[in-house]
Amino acid sequence: GAVVSQHPSWVICKSGTSVKIECRSLDFQATTMFWYRQFPKQSLMLMATSNEGSKATYEQGVEKDKFLINHASLTLSTLTVTSAHPEDSSFYICSAMEGGISYNEQFFGPGTRLTVL
Amino acid sequence: SQKIEQNSEALNIQEGKTATLTCNYTNYSPAYLQWYRQDPGRGPVFLLLIRENEKEKRKERLKVTFDTTLKQSLFHITASQPADSATYLCAPTSGGSYIPTFGRGTSLIVHP
Repeated sequence: GAVVSQHPSWVICKSGTSVKIECRSLDFQATTMFWYRQFPKQSLMLMATSNEGSKATYEQGVEKDKFLINHASLTLSTLTVTSAHPEDSSFYICSAMEGGISYNEQFFGPGTRLTVL
Repeated sequence: SQKIEQNSEALNIQEGKTATLTCNYTNYSPAYLQWYRQDPGRGPVFLLLIRENEKEKRKERLKVTFDTTLKQSLFHITASQPADSATYLCAPTSGGSYIPTFGRGTSLIVHP
């Protein structure tokens, strides 16, 4: 099946710094990528949807200036958490969708654990 | 508002038994419903998709039912194995929107 990778798998940073997380589709071209956040024992919450070459669409309540998303190519999307604070500590998961599939199956990355001190 | 309910308590069963997980939804008319498996510290892995016009779907030891009248989906694992231990997420998806909404998931623990 299709493979999606994320880098880094975990990161610890100081409060106020910015962190970039990469999401790559390894063996297919992803027309659309999604970014989710998951707190412990909670469901995955969609943060934003990004299409290659266009601006991301953010879900209600997600600050677009804080969570910068760039989908520069059909195989790479990045999420930058700017001026991170402890409350941003969470598990960030991306998923990618290949165009042309009837039911639009999403392939998920392994996730990135962010800890802000 | 849309609501997805999955049993928050862990389901403990003995190896070899059938595990049945429940997903109920309200204020929702999904065109299809997906089930995912999530292991600790990992992203979800797609298991099965069932459409609104399908009553049942099978894949190896997995079976999913979808009752749009009851607004419920059941997920069964037959002949369960300790390796099946994980959290299982239900994700209904509305027609026209290809983005699933995830439930919190139910933790399954299969004891040897």
